[in-house]
Amino acid sequence: GAGVSQTPSNKVTEKGKYVELRCDPISGHTALYWYRQSLGQGPEFLIYFQGTGAADDSGLPNDRFFAVRPEGSVSTLKIQRTERGDSAVYLCASSLFYLGQGSFGELFFGEGSRLTVL
Amino acid sequence: QKEVEQNSGPLSVPEGAIASLNCTYSDRVSQSFFWYRQYSGKSPELIMSIYSNGDKEDGRFTAQLNKASQYVSLLIRDSQPSDSATYLCAVVPGANNLFFGTGTRLTVIP
Repeated sequence: GAGVSQTPSNKVTEKGKYVELRCDPISGHTALYWYRQSLGQGPEFLIYFQGTGAADDSGLPNDRFFAVRPEGSVSTLKIQRTERGDSAVYLCASSLFYLGQGSFGELFFGEGSRLTVL
Repeated sequence: QKEVEQNSGPLSVPEGAIASLNCTYSDRVSQSFFWYRQYSGKSPELIMSIYSNGDKEDGRFTAQLNKASQYVSLLIRDSQPSDSATYLCAVVPGANNLFFGTGTRLTVIP
């Protein structure tokens, strides 16, 4: 696609439920990132993929959060037993290169998935 | 200590003035520095990157980097109302990812 696509754009769920958020990066981009952003805050790093593997998952807040990218393209962020504190906008971004390959830092962001946990 | 620190503002400047946005970072091995702009309700977009000490100019935007002081700044000349947004400083520390500051909200008053 022309840009990074995220679905759903909005998700309202109840505390304790399971949620999946999907990201379809720009075609050909090898690096994929997940961030979450709360109101008035900057994006908080969650996890970063190089191809199919998670190069750095140190930002995942706890074991309720998990992300996969099985074929090196689409990624899914999975949140188990959601809590009210998980409410935020979840941003996905992709970039053509990753560190060591060349230019790094020009991330192209999707419009985000707004998660509300009641 | 946070990786990247910014004054959250808000910063208000009159139209046509110079807006100065500042950022400090904690990891001395950081080599890559970026400024992203985020309009309300939208996702961040890259406006400037800088990798070496000194100034880098692109149109009305100038990024300044001082690695000894661990300081990055963004100057916006001839500020326009359309520049009103949150400006996010981002840094690549020793690891392979990108950390953002909390952002500075800029308002340009017509």
